[in-house]
Amino acid sequence: NAGVTQTPKFRVLKTGQSMTLLCAQDMNHEYMYWYRQDPGMGLRLIHYSVGEGTTAKGEVPDGYNVSRLKKQNFLLGLESAAPSQTSVYFCASRNKGLSSKNIQYFGAGTRLSVL
Amino acid sequence: GENVEQHPSTLSVQEGDSAVIKCTYSDSASNYFPWYKQELGKGPQLIIDIRSNVGEKKDQRIAVTLNKTAKHFSLHITETQPEDSAVYFCAALGLTGTASKLTFGTGTRLQVTL
Repeated sequence: NAGVTQTPKFRVLKTGQSMTLLCAQDMNHEYMYWYRQDPGMGLRLIHYSVGEGTTAKGEVPDGYNVSRLKKQNFLLGLESAAPSQTSVYFCASRNKGLSSKNIQYFGAGTRLSVL
Repeated sequence: GENVEQHPSTLSVQEGDSAVIKCTYSDSASNYFPWYKQELGKGPQLIIDIRSNVGEKKDQRIAVTLNKTAKHFSLHITETQPEDSAVYFCAALGLTGTASKLTFGTGTRLQVTL
């Protein structure tokens, strides 16, 4: 019963490097989300997806791209990393529908440092 | 869009005392208010939630109250224990476009001292 799994757990990048963060969920959830967490700012939504093949921008999308080629996976890409993208990244997923419990389940996070 | 404010940012209580964390929201259309607990090095986990058609909900030592008119909701933890020490986030769910999205408060770091 894995739930939401994020890889990698830690990563250090140099400015300008690229990388992809992977989120996988085994709960057959329609909706998936990527957040970043910074001190004193809570969780801010980067991008989200309401189903396979669809993505949308959240509150802070600049500098990030996402893809949802498979229902269970949601990828977050940084094409040219900047120090301002140093953060802890969380993926979440939940069931579709307003009548559902609407609980978002979170992964354990990816700690990213950009030097 | 929705804006959620959370207070206090830090809270220290003695073991056995009660702790209260308060949040306000701006969008009157928001209809679901979860509370998440985040322990060090882990992702947030839902501990309790409340819907807009309910004024109060309780689960053992944890309770949440909602005042729709004033647009604020609160988390109450009674008989606090050291394992309650964590960061707590409130959130509000509104309907935006094709997907309802959670807007989070900035978090409260709760420290329960012996």
